[in-house]
Amino acid sequence: DVKVTQSSRYLVKRTGEKVFLECVQDMDHENMFWYRQDPGLGLRLIYFSYDVKMKEKGDIPEGYSVSREKKERFSLILESASTNQTSMYLCASSLSWDNYGYTFGSGTRLTVV
Amino acid sequence: EDQVTQSPEALRLQEGESSSLNCSYTVSGLRGLFWYRQDPGKGPEFLFTLYSAGEEKEKERLKATLTKKESFLHITAPKPEDSATYLCAVQAGTGTASKLTFGTGTRLQVTL
Repeated sequence: DVKVTQSSRYLVKRTGEKVFLECVQDMDHENMFWYRQDPGLGLRLIYFSYDVKMKEKGDIPEGYSVSREKKERFSLILESASTNQTSMYLCASSLSWDNYGYTFGSGTRLTVV
Repeated sequence: EDQVTQSPEALRLQEGESSSLNCSYTVSGLRGLFWYRQDPGKGPEFLFTLYSAGEEKEKERLKATLTKKESFLHITAPKPEDSATYLCAVQAGTGTASKLTFGTGTRLQVTL
């Protein structure tokens, strides 16, 4: 089974800190995604990547950046954390655009105080 | 713009009481409709993919169906362990445009 691993289950950070969320997948998937999930708003796409060093903005990229230096690793960066970035962050991967399933990680619950 | 609407928002059933969850969608060129299950504090877990109207898929007490405008997730004789949030998502377009668009989910609680 494909495994998508997010490095932290829970994080508490201070306003203004630079925050790194790490995601690693172990099945050579081309595509990786970062979502945030908030009550009543569902999953919203922040950024995605379809190849190493390639990235595209999703629906809500403001305040975030990403890095994909290796195929298996996709990092989400909060340049200067703010309280409105308190959320559940979910990483996902898929084999290709012709393979329709996403595999999700367990999520990182980030609290910014 | 692709849209996915799930109803009801929350559903409480007694064990053994069958029901259905609805996912209505508006997309241009559906490539696939997905159902996921999400337990509290965890990531979504894949259940089904449906590709064309009329298609049905089953897994244990769950059965997913698809029409041109909506999908249903039927739950037959549910058990407490079926309690979770069920998410629907659609995929349309091609290449990097074919990202998944999610609904906000139906929170299901099954009681004894």
